[in-house]
Amino acid sequence: EDQVTQSPEALRLQEGESSSLNCSYTVSGLRGLFWYRQDPGKGPEFLFTLYSAGEEKEKERLKATLTKKESFLHITAPKPEDSATYLCAVQGAYNNNDMRFGAGTRLTVKP
Amino acid sequence: GAGVSQSPRYKVAKRGQDVALRCDPISGHVSLFWYQQALGQGPEFLTYFQNEAQLDKSGLPSDRFFAERPEGSVSTLKIQRTQQEDSAVYLCASSLVGAKVQETQYFGPGTRLLVL
Repeated sequence: EDQVTQSPEALRLQEGESSSLNCSYTVSGLRGLFWYRQDPGKGPEFLFTLYSAGEEKEKERLKATLTKKESFLHITAPKPEDSATYLCAVQGAYNNNDMRFGAGTRLTVKP
Repeated sequence: GAGVSQSPRYKVAKRGQDVALRCDPISGHVSLFWYQQALGQGPEFLTYFQNEAQLDKSGLPSDRFFAERPEGSVSTLKIQRTQQEDSAVYLCASSLVGAKVQETQYFGPGTRLLVL
């Protein structure tokens, strides 16, 4: 069964203090690994899709990387507006199209 | 352009009431998904439509849950005889294509259901 584990559950950073969020996964035939950002009271907002080990994608202060067992979301010099819950999800080759999500990492960036 | 919209945004129901939650996907999107998100957890898959066909309903927790998409656009998730454990945020997502393609899903704002 596909599984996704995210760590840490919560992370508090000072503005400018870079860090990484981890997403460990087990899936039968990875078709895609997705990162979403979710603000309180809102739906998940798409950030990145990664398809194969070694792939990297960047957007502003965020950079996502992928290995065969895990993905990292690196946040460089974060700002308070980066505070949100970051969700990781996988899509496997043998499920119909749904995504299996982790529980998320709740990031707080203090000014 | 317009994203996925859901209504109502909030719904309070008495235990035993029936509720209907609506989703308007992005125009032209073939695939539509419903997820349930409990407090502090990630979304969990409920059901999937490709156009009007419901291809996967393996995530629906009981036969009290029913979803439809009769014309291949708007979808309704219906919960009959609501129970307190049904309290959650119900998210709808759509994607451009379907049929086992790696395709990004775009989410609506969700409907927060509280069953008293």
